[in-house]
Amino acid sequence: DGGITQSPKYLFRKEGQNVTLSCEQNLNHDAMYWYRQDPGQGLRLIYYSQIVNDFQKGDIAEGYSVSREKKESFPLTVTSAQKNPTAFYLCASSVRDSGYGYTFGSGTRLTVV
Amino acid sequence: DQQVKQNSPSLSVQEGRISILNCDYTNSMFDYFLWYKKYPAEGPTFLISISSIKDKNEDGRFTVFLNKSAKHLSLHIVPSQPGDSAVYFCAASEETSGSRLTFGEGTQLTVNP
Repeated sequence: DGGITQSPKYLFRKEGQNVTLSCEQNLNHDAMYWYRQDPGQGLRLIYYSQIVNDFQKGDIAEGYSVSREKKESFPLTVTSAQKNPTAFYLCASSVRDSGYGYTFGSGTRLTVV
Repeated sequence: DQQVKQNSPSLSVQEGRISILNCDYTNSMFDYFLWYKKYPAEGPTFLISISSIKDKNEDGRFTVFLNKSAKHLSLHIVPSQPGDSAVYFCAASEETSGSRLTFGEGTQLTVNP
């Protein structure tokens, strides 16, 4: 079955550490996205990529980095520069330029301890 | 600047009655609108969508209405069921942004038995 997989489901990080969240899709989608969900703030776009080896900052990119070396993979690194990293992170993918919506992963809950 | 707004953070209805979730937008270039449903600790799943050339789209118990002049859309669920209890996100896209979606803050719907 085609889908989008995020791992791990739960992640704990000590302050000052970088951590990488995995996102893999086998839907042959060109575009991939990272969102962050906080209570009362909906889904905010961190980074997105429309094609391999290219990505753009979203609305809240500070303290995050991404790479897109393969079509199937779009890992997100939460760096120590991110001041408030505890959140639920969602990865999504879509057909490029379709505007017809995303397929989401099941999310990663990151907690800074 | 919040281009897609869901002004009601929560809504509570009785089982069997109608649920109406509202969404307003400010960007007149938006031409495609979607509703997603999200359970806790899971990724959102696509529910229903509507193109700006239509004013209504129906799928079973779910109907989306679009009022372009008012820049307003609504999701009607009839009859509401306890399993509909979830967070509902409104989203919009415009042709020039490719497949990128802008999300509202979400509305927590609770359907009481």
